[in-house]
Amino acid sequence: QKEVEQNSGPLSVPEGAIASLNCTYSDRGSQSFFWYRQYSGKSPELIMFIYSNGDKEDGRFTAQLNKASQYVSLLIRDSQPSDSATYLCAVNWFGNTGKLIFGQGTTLQVKP
Amino acid sequence: GAVVSQHPSWVICKSGTSVKIECRSLDFQATTMFWYRQFPKQSLMLMATSNEGSKATYEQGVEKDKFLINHASLTLSTLTVTSAHPEDSSFYICSARRQSRAEAFFGQGTRLTVV
Repeated sequence: QKEVEQNSGPLSVPEGAIASLNCTYSDRGSQSFFWYRQYSGKSPELIMFIYSNGDKEDGRFTAQLNKASQYVSLLIRDSQPSDSATYLCAVNWFGNTGKLIFGQGTTLQVKP
Repeated sequence: GAVVSQHPSWVICKSGTSVKIECRSLDFQATTMFWYRQFPKQSLMLMATSNEGSKATYEQGVEKDKFLINHASLTLSTLTVTSAHPEDSSFYICSARRQSRAEAFFGQGTRLTVV
């Protein structure tokens, strides 16, 4: 059973702080890792993806991957109230088919 | 780029009727499209994977005769919910990916309410 685990939260941070979102996955064969943001009532939007161990930065977002620990995280710097949403971690384990398995999501609340 | 359009955004139908949902990739050719269902406060559950020109692959527990998927072209996939019942009420979302690319982009979703 392929599993992707996230703490459902809510994670509450003050505006301007760093928000750290975590995700673990069960299958060592997983190759690609994705972070999506989903606002209430809307569909997910892709924030970033990562394939290789280490960090990948895109603006205020940094994805971190540690395959040995089967752990992927998303850091959001200078958090804004508009970042308040549910963040979904997704893992592609089946080669490059694009079939994604999603975690349950972490709700982030950024308080002004 | 990578725009996926889903239609309709919401639909209300009577129990026993069928509803068709369209998913289009507007600016790229989508070799693979995925259909998800999301119940309130829950994560996305993959229903099926469709590849252009071939039969869809359904996830375990998803009734293929109830959820008909057609992927007739590289830019269009449809999901038809047949003989809909109130328990089919949910948020249905499609996603699409290009060939040789792992990332998938989502349509805006369709909120189905069966009364």
